[in-house]
Amino acid sequence: GAGVSQSPRYKVAKRGQDVALRCDPISGHVSLFWYQQALGQGPEFLTYFQNEAQLDKSGLPSDRFFAERPEGSVSTLKIQRTQQEDSAVYLCASSLDRFSAGELFFGEGSRLTVL
Amino acid sequence: KQEVTQIPAALSVPEGENLVLNCSFTDSAIYNLQWFRQDPGKGLTSLLLIQSSQREQTSGRLNASLDKSSGRSTLYIAASQPGDSATYLCAVRRNNQGGKLIFGQGTELSVKP
Repeated sequence: GAGVSQSPRYKVAKRGQDVALRCDPISGHVSLFWYQQALGQGPEFLTYFQNEAQLDKSGLPSDRFFAERPEGSVSTLKIQRTQQEDSAVYLCASSLDRFSAGELFFGEGSRLTVL
Repeated sequence: KQEVTQIPAALSVPEGENLVLNCSFTDSAIYNLQWFRQDPGKGLTSLLLIQSSQREQTSGRLNASLDKSSGRSTLYIAASQPGDSATYLCAVRRNNQGGKLIFGQGTELSVKP
């Protein structure tokens, strides 16, 4: 498709389970971002890739969160030993440029519920 | 630390009204500012992107202005329609933080027919 695609759209996990969320950016987009959005809040930055390089992971809340983009295209956000406070919508966005000037395009998000 | 604030948090207007949504940011050293729309259960749709050197951008019934020195941006929606009902988010990108966007909490707009 032409847009940013995320899967799964909805994920229910039991506390302690590991989850993996996938993002397919727009083809050819160099930059890829992950954001976390709690209910009623604006998105909070998690991490940023430029091609396969993870240039900023300052927003990852703990070492249970890990993101990768091994071939500079598809990215996976992994959360280990999920906790209830991890419940949120995880948004992926991509941008064509590498010089931070461009517009971000967001996917529809993966809604994670941890029971 | 950059902080972005949006006022009001929620707004309800009758159809046809012109309205203004406000966004303020604490650090004027921004690279650009972007306004997004978010429908319930959906991702963000980009509405307007204003570079730091620009004063405003227009798209259809939408007009966004930027005043860097005062740390403010406004989104003006003309002749509002029920289909405009959504949450509107502004986000700023700083000069020295790569691609990271800092978001406000959003304004939830309801346009009544």
